[in-house]
Amino acid sequence: DAMVIQNPRYQVTQFGKPVTLSCSQTLNHNVMYWYQQKSSQAPKLLFHYYDKDFNNEADTPDNFQSRRPNTSFCFLDIRSPGLGDAAMYLCATSRGVGGPADTQYFGPGTRLTVL
Amino acid sequence: RKEVEQDPGPFNVPEGATVAFNCTYSNSASQSFFWYRQDCRKEPKLLMSVYSSGNEDGRFTAQLNRASQYISLLIRDSKLSDSATYLCVVNKGNYGQNFVFGPGTRLSVLP
Repeated sequence: DAMVIQNPRYQVTQFGKPVTLSCSQTLNHNVMYWYQQKSSQAPKLLFHYYDKDFNNEADTPDNFQSRRPNTSFCFLDIRSPGLGDAAMYLCATSRGVGGPADTQYFGPGTRLTVL
Repeated sequence: RKEVEQDPGPFNVPEGATVAFNCTYSNSASQSFFWYRQDCRKEPKLLMSVYSSGNEDGRFTAQLNRASQYISLLIRDSKLSDSATYLCVVNKGNYGQNFVFGPGTRLSVLP
């Protein structure tokens, strides 16, 4: 059974047209993350929520915003997608207690194409 | 210097070979360590956590050397299905929220 669900799996948008990606979890984890992954590169953390506390990475562009209305859901908003934003967007969760047993669980990703 | 560095790869090995991956991290305060594997166009999946005393899971052995800030992964008797990118991940947060990914090492196991 899927524990971290992302919708849609594939998203096509036009240059400059806002898009929202969705993530939900059934694990009741405290932490939810959004990563951007481009071809042949490691996932790059955009931001994460620890409960309701939002933590932005210093180099995440302002074009990317996030919302976490409740424990289960987290959204990634791209306000004005550019061609360089085409990538796989991965949502992940973790319990947030630290230690080697506290691992991340990833969703299947949303592949974003910008035309 | 990147926070987490890995062997650049790719590694092309025959079936049955033993292959070792290396990873170094720069933040001595890092708390926990992991190896993930990622298949092409799929999400990363946990392969194993790395414990201070080292740990083994079947054909896979992970080692941690805190003094040298070094992590390794050994795969014995490689299978075709082991072909993937292996990501070293370091968590530098006290509450498990600061996961840093290495660039990954690609492995191709050849028949």
